[in-house]
Amino acid sequence: QSVLTQPPSVSGAPGQRVTISCTGSSSNIGANYAVHWYQQFPGTAPKLLISITNNRPSGVPDRFSGSKSGTSASLAITGLQAEDEADYYCQSYDSSLSASVFGGGTKLTVL
Amino acid sequence: EVQLVQSGAEVKKPGESLKISCKVSGYTFTHYWIGWVRQMPGKGLEWMGIIYPGDSDTRYSPSFQGQVTISVDESINTAYLQWSSLKASDAAMYFCARESESDYHFDYWGQGTPVTVSS
Repeated sequence: QSVLTQPPSVSGAPGQRVTISCTGSSSNIGANYAVHWYQQFPGTAPKLLISITNNRPSGVPDRFSGSKSGTSASLAITGLQAEDEADYYCQSYDSSLSASVFGGGTKLTVL
Repeated sequence: EVQLVQSGAEVKKPGESLKISCKVSGYTFTHYWIGWVRQMPGKGLEWMGIIYPGDSDTRYSPSFQGQVTISVDESINTAYLQWSSLKASDAAMYFCARESESDYHFDYWGQGTPVTVSS
């Protein structure tokens, strides 16, 4: 059971918009710690997608965006493409654990 | 160019010890925290712990405290993750990653070291 809760899977057709939620608590997202998002393709290392809620590293398309409200955060992907099919993880710091934590991960399927 | 290059695949028996490595280049090793992340087969990412090579200050997730040891060798820009007695449940892919200067996220990752533990 992850401290940060993500839906196990989401799907969408090419060109559509999908969102992936990340629900935490008052000791992590709700305590105003930043939320970060990673993308992972099978058999490869995760890659930083969004940092500090909504900052994209160089090379990440602006189709990816992040937001945060209260104890939850979301990753939005617009103009869905087949190449976006991957696993997505959120991460934040948890003050009660004195450690960073990941969400359980969400598998995105492009129909 | 920032690079984190991990040691190769390991096959061990339960009860054996193991030390895997993560050699970094392209930046000043002592200025950034290095973390370790576990990914069990078919499962998600788990934050294990982190070390600051500048002074070896180390923090562990409660789930991994006492189960593994994180260390560094500053002279060769290398971080380590070690076990004194492996269990079958330690079989996983292990990633090292550099923590950015701001807000606890990992901006560069190693390629991963698969660890198999089987009798």
